[in-house]
Amino acid sequence: QVQLQESGPGLVRPSETLSLTCTVFGGSISNYYWSWIRQPPGKGLEWVGYIYYSGGTNYNPSLKSRLTISVDTSKNQFSLKLRSLTAADTAVYYCARHPGVAVAGDREAFDIWGQGTMVTVSS
Amino acid sequence: DIQMTQSPSSLSASVGDRVTITCRASQSISTYLTWYQQKPGKAPKVLICGASSLQSGVPSRFSGSGSGTDFTLIISSLQPEDFATYYCQQGYSVPRTFGQGTKVEIK
Repeated sequence: QVQLQESGPGLVRPSETLSLTCTVFGGSISNYYWSWIRQPPGKGLEWVGYIYYSGGTNYNPSLKSRLTISVDTSKNQFSLKLRSLTAADTAVYYCARHPGVAVAGDREAFDIWGQGTMVTVSS
Repeated sequence: DIQMTQSPSSLSASVGDRVTITCRASQSISTYLTWYQQKPGKAPKVLICGASSLQSGVPSRFSGSGSGTDFTLIISSLQPEDFATYYCQQGYSVPRTFGQGTKVEIK
């Protein structure tokens, strides 16, 4: 059974860079898309961006200038770097798997999620 | 970006009630629509994808319908474990976008 686990710091200072890693357990990172999704406290879900296992990326335009997502297939991991943090970036950050529209068609969904990691931006 | 608007934002219902949640897309998304359930402190869980396909293991009291811009999630007989927040999400284009959520509370 595939499981995802996020790791990274819980507290980051304003203007600094957030680095998070998602490790895939129980399955291969190959042949799937891997997304980051965040949720500010008490608020809704925001898609951050995705990476395909082969390295292609797509980012939310609202974050694109500050965001880099990368993949390390040898470690079965993918990572997020978000620069120039402000308090508005405080959120639970989830990693999630999705098969892609080419494979799943209209049934494409974030089918497996990590448990989430809370990131607070504060001095 | 495609905007997803859910209604209501919250509702109170009793066990056994029929509950209807709607989701409207700002442009046509065919049937590229997924419904999620999220409980406090937990990650969202897929209930329905492709607007009407029940995910494996999800109780049959959940159903989805719609295409184009208007979609509906129905819980035919609300159970205690169904009190949660429900989100719709479009998979038609990037950026992927979610509705703002509908919180289902105990009456």
